[in-house]
Amino acid sequence: EAGVAQSPRYKIIEKRQSVAFWCNPISGHATLYWYQQILGQGPKLLIQFQNNGVVDDSQLPKDRFSAERLKGVDSTLKIQPAKLEDSAVYLCASSQGRGNTIYFGEGSWLTVV
Amino acid sequence: RKEVEQDPGPFNVPEGATVAFNCTYSNSASQSFFWYRQDCRKEPKLLMSVYSSGNEDGRFTAQLNRASQYISLLIRDSKLSDSATYLCVPPGNAGNMLTFGGGTRLMVKP
Repeated sequence: EAGVAQSPRYKIIEKRQSVAFWCNPISGHATLYWYQQILGQGPKLLIQFQNNGVVDDSQLPKDRFSAERLKGVDSTLKIQPAKLEDSAVYLCASSQGRGNTIYFGEGSWLTVV
Repeated sequence: RKEVEQDPGPFNVPEGATVAFNCTYSNSASQSFFWYRQDCRKEPKLLMSVYSSGNEDGRFTAQLNRASQYISLLIRDSKLSDSATYLCVPPGNAGNMLTFGGGTRLMVKP
């Protein structure tokens, strides 16, 4: 079974530029998550989708971050404009439903210089 | 009190030792909890999922202490390959938003 796919794997941008990450969850998984993991810390949830609806985005910095899952399958996370403190790994994950086991993609490593 | 707290370690133990990690949490409405393992520069991977008060899988035992609001992971007969960061996901709120702890780093030495 194919896992969670993410791209790009690595991205280096200058501050104030924009970046977008793409995620394709495991087939049939209704719930999709975007996490931010800063080096040395645990993953922090940014946004959770159930199909194409947002369940929780309380920790998403909405002045610069946006995410969508228009058709309830794949999703994009955008940062505009980027700040130095956005340097992190952006992990996409999916699960069959809320409260079920979460499976992670390999992550998109972002460095803002 | 933080929502989820873990001792960051590192825990340095010799091969064959038994080691235990705790993870305290501040609120919960459900009983299921999870432990994930994360290798350096890799994504977290599920180690154990528990839908009751505890579970045992080979050398690994996970327990829930609801009264004291913590979950634990016990590793017996540590192997070099157990060296990793262990992330807890304590009971959440009706399946919404699973919150990860900061992780506990384990180093098993020969």
